[in-house]
Amino acid sequence: EVQLVQSGAEVKKPGESLKISCKGSGYRFTTYWIGWVRQMPGKGLEWMGIIYPGDSDTRYSPSFQGQVTMSADKSINTAYLRWSSLKASDTAMYFCARRGDGFNHDAFDIWGQGTMVTVSS
Amino acid sequence: DIVMTQSPDSLAVSLGERATINCKSSQSLVYFSNNKNYLAWYQQRPGQSPKLLIYWASTRQSGVPDRFTGSGSGTDFTLTISSLQAEDVAVYYCQQYYTTPYTFGQGTKLEIK
Repeated sequence: EVQLVQSGAEVKKPGESLKISCKGSGYRFTTYWIGWVRQMPGKGLEWMGIIYPGDSDTRYSPSFQGQVTMSADKSINTAYLRWSSLKASDTAMYFCARRGDGFNHDAFDIWGQGTMVTVSS
Repeated sequence: DIVMTQSPDSLAVSLGERATINCKSSQSLVYFSNNKNYLAWYQQRPGQSPKLLIYWASTRQSGVPDRFTGSGSGTDFTLTISSLQAEDVAVYYCQQYYTTPYTFGQGTKLEIK
């Protein structure tokens, strides 16, 4: 079964660092882009960026450039989203999603279950 | 960035009736080399992850019921649910994947009347 499994919910304080993960299985992890999507409480979906695990090529949305860092470890089929200094406004659900292979389509066809990040003093 | 604007923001439809959601992009989503519209539709049920329904504006993802139909080209697109079922209660999003950032519409909340 093709799936993405994300790490569990996190509760952090402002200024702390955090790295959440997204592990792929059931497909060739290195040949599909992985995207990250933010959903703030009660709000819509926001595209943060994508990373190609094969060579770690990364494209960030201008809205998130410099605010987060995307990375991937292809040896363990895992993508990461990292914050160096969290803010209360980072409180949100974060989804990872697999982008299509570019031949069939480029939409997000497989989604993780989401990781809830709560930042509060 | 390409701006995606959906209408309406919310919609209430009776069971068995048709639901129509519109999506407009700030620039054409047709790629000249293959004449395809780089537009997808997603469904997000309450408390769940989004699910891909439609890609290339009109191609149904495997397993998606045929009551879901995507149409449109260029800058104007439509998602139609031909006969609303109770399980279709969700928020629906369009997304362009023509160029990064792959922006989403603001979402349309679909409820039962």
